[in-house]
This record gives sequence, structure tokens and C-alpha cells, in this order.
Amino acid sequence: EAQVTQNPRYLITVTGKKLTVTCSQNMNHEYMSWYRQDPGLGLRQIYYSMNVEVTDKGDVPEGYKVSRKEKRNFPLILESPSPNQTSLYFCASRPGPGHAAYEQYFGPGTRLTVT
Amino acid sequence: AQSVTQLDSHVSVSEGTPVLLRCNYSSSYSPSLFWYVQHPNKGLQLLLKYTSAATLVKGINGFEAEFKKSETSFHLTKPSAHMSDAAEYFCVVLLGYGGSQGNLIFGKGTKLSVKP
Repeated sequence: EAQVTQNPRYLITVTGKKLTVTCSQNMNHEYMSWYRQDPGLGLRQIYYSMNVEVTDKGDVPEGYKVSRKEKRNFPLILESPSPNQTSLYFCASRPGPGHAAYEQYFGPGTRLTVT
Repeated sequence: AQSVTQLDSHVSVSEGTPVLLRCNYSSSYSPSLFWYVQHPNKGLQLLLKYTSAATLVKGINGFEAEFKKSETSFHLTKPSAHMSDAAEYFCVVLLGYGGSQGNLIFGKGTKLSVKP
């Protein structure tokens, strides 16, 4: 089944304790991205990657890091989480910039709480 | 710059009555536009997309949207609401220039409530 998976689905942590949220897709998609969703703000893009070893900042990159060493994986790293990073996070993928459909496939979300 | 504005943060309708969720966009280019739905505690699902083909786009679950260039609108409609339509709906525009080609810009969402 074509899908985007994220782990963990729920995470409660404390300020300053490094964490990683994993994202994996099995569709051989070139393009992957991370979003955060906050009430009343919709989804805002954190980082995106157009292919292996190619990443770039989205609208709200501060406090986050990403890496794209393999095509299927795109982990989101919070080196020193703070309470304002409490949010619902979505990973997404799609075939690539030249693909006509532009349909993004979303993961199920990771609810992060930083105390 | 491309952007999208959802004109209502909340819409409430009675079951069986029409649904209208409003969206206006701003784009220097011929845009690609989407509607996504998010049911409570669920991920995002694509409802429909407009990519410069027919201006009236039909999606899943009886929803449709009409692209009106003169009004820069892409409103989502359904003739008859069902209880299962209660969810949050996002209007989305695709950025299509420069290095950020292919990035989606989300509206802030419209929460649809359906009363019995």
C-alpha cells in the first residue's frame, strides 16, 4: 500500500531534550516536506527536500533541522525543543517538481508536546 | 506572491442543506488549487484539484469547486450536507516559481459543523 509513515505518532518531552521524528514513504517520491499545524494558522511548511541531499527552508524553519540521505526517509530533528514547538506535525511526499498531478500524500501526523 | 484566504473560519449548516466554503487566492501565475479535508484526529485527504483544465472540478464525496479567474475564487460546494462532512477544510495553492516550485501554501482552514 502506498503510504507515508511517521513515528512516533504521539510524543511528550521536556524542553531541551533532543528528539527526532521519522518520516518514510514507499512511493519512490522525489519531493518530501514537513509541516506544522496550529489552531487558526492552518499548515505551515517547515522544510522541504526536492531530492536526496537537497533540502531547503520553508516558512517556519527556526528550531528545526532535516536531512535527506536516502530517497525514502526525511527525518525532522529538534535539537533543543521549546514549548512553542508544541504542535501537530505532518510529513508529506509527492513524485517531483515536474509531475503534473502535484498531489501530496500526507502522513498520519505526530502530536508533539514540549513541557 | 501567491497566497490563499479562506473567508470563514467556521461554517455551520443543517444536514441536507447546501454547503459553501469560500476561498480566494492571489497568484501572479495561472494557479494550481486544491481542497483538502481533515476529519477530527485524522490526517489530510485530497478532496479535489484544479490544474488549468475544466473550471468546474468534481471531487470525492459529492464536493465540487469552481475556479473563477475574474473573481480569483475557488469556492467549495456540496448540494446536500451529511453528518460525516463535519471536518476542517483547507484551500491550498501551489507555488510554481523558482526554487520553491511545488510547495503548497495552505489557507487557515474552515471548520464545518453539520447539525442534525
